[in-house]
Amino acid sequence: GQQLNQSPQSMFIQEGEDVSMNCTSSSIFNTWLWYKQDPGEGPVLLIALYKAGELTSNGRLTAQFGITRKDSFLNISASIPSDVGIYFCAGRPDSGTYKYIFGTGTRLKVLA
Amino acid sequence: GAVVSQHPSWVICKSGTSVKIECRSLDFQATTMFWYRQFPKQSLMLMATSNEGSKATYEQGVEKDKFLINHASLTLSTLTVTSAHPEDSSFYICSARKSSGINYGYTFGSGTRLTVV
Repeated sequence: GQQLNQSPQSMFIQEGEDVSMNCTSSSIFNTWLWYKQDPGEGPVLLIALYKAGELTSNGRLTAQFGITRKDSFLNISASIPSDVGIYFCAGRPDSGTYKYIFGTGTRLKVLA
Repeated sequence: GAVVSQHPSWVICKSGTSVKIECRSLDFQATTMFWYRQFPKQSLMLMATSNEGSKATYEQGVEKDKFLINHASLTLSTLTVTSAHPEDSSFYICSARKSSGINYGYTFGSGTRLTVV
């Protein structure tokens, strides 16, 4: 199946540092979602973006819908140990379908 | 909020047997539910779209006779893995979309880890 390119694939950071990750696609999406998945659990929605250029925050998390509609970014400020997990982006193609395509994931590890 | 319950959370079965996984939307109606499969350290791969009252739509490469989907009500979809084999061992996750509204995130269940021995 189709997947979005997400980077970085994994990262180790020190507690308190800021984190940035992004997701890119070769096609236009009209909705971007960011999820976090803990081991053995289903993904939990963090932020939803619905229009190009939109910038939305959820606590220490901020995500943006790229103006080209082909990318999205997620930033985590002042990381803490519980931020560890896998972050997935998901995009909805601009074709009227309700299906979402998932990114390849960014595995985040925070060093205390 | 929107809550999706998935059951069982884990199951071990013998090769050749069938396993049924349930996905329920607890506090909302879900016209459409989605079934995903996730291998270790990989992303979620959409298997099929489950539509209430009609046949499921399967993604390319997914065997519809092996992965039977039933969406008999607005709050329940089931995935049955028939004649399971070890290669079917995986993490299966469902998600549900509310029947009303347009722009919102989908809610995921907590997943079912299937191990076929």
